[in-house]
Amino acid sequence: SQTIHQWPATLVQPVGSPLSLECTVEGTSNPNLYWYRQAAGRGLQLLFYSVGIGQISSEVPQNLSASRPQDRQFILSSKKLLLSDSGFYLCAWSVVTDTQYFGPGTRLTVL
Amino acid sequence: GNSVTQMEGPVTLSEEAFLTINCTYTATGYPSLFWYVQYPGEGLQLLLKATKADDKGSNKGFEATYRKETTSFHLEKGSVQVSDSAVYFCALYPSSSNTGKLIFGQGTTLQVKP
Repeated sequence: SQTIHQWPATLVQPVGSPLSLECTVEGTSNPNLYWYRQAAGRGLQLLFYSVGIGQISSEVPQNLSASRPQDRQFILSSKKLLLSDSGFYLCAWSVVTDTQYFGPGTRLTVL
Repeated sequence: GNSVTQMEGPVTLSEEAFLTINCTYTATGYPSLFWYVQYPGEGLQLLLKATKADDKGSNKGFEATYRKETTSFHLEKGSVQVSDSAVYFCALYPSSSNTGKLIFGQGTTLQVKP
């Protein structure tokens, strides 16, 4: 069966520090991968999606970036965090079908 | 364009009450429709889905029927429990999409009191 992992689960970072969040999927090949952000009390915002290794599409211009170095690995990064980057970051995957499956999320607090 | 609109929350109910969370959509063609649930501090879980008009998705006592004529996919449950307290998201997958991108509603918070 397929599983999706995200780490870390929780992160507290100072403003201006770098960021790296990782997402990996097991049990499937060539998935579409997605990064979402959920600000406190608000809905889901799609940040990036990828249909293959090295293929990244950005949905919202910002100081975040994404990379997909391996088929089942998706990384969200920032060189300098802003207070507004605080939120709950969710990774998701899908294959062929229309259904997305979500990871457990990473809670990021920028102080 | 494609969009999903959910009823404003929070929805507060007593245990064993009947639940309806409204969801309407705008899309061309025949999108697939979904309900996801997010328990506090967790990721989203697929609750149910429907892929064509008049289909009924069901899971864990929740049901939703794909109504093409009213462009709706309302979520219902006959008797809610405290453990159903969560945020519920309605979503659609456009029939013309080839990227897997879902369009989400803003989410509706459900609070069930004992």
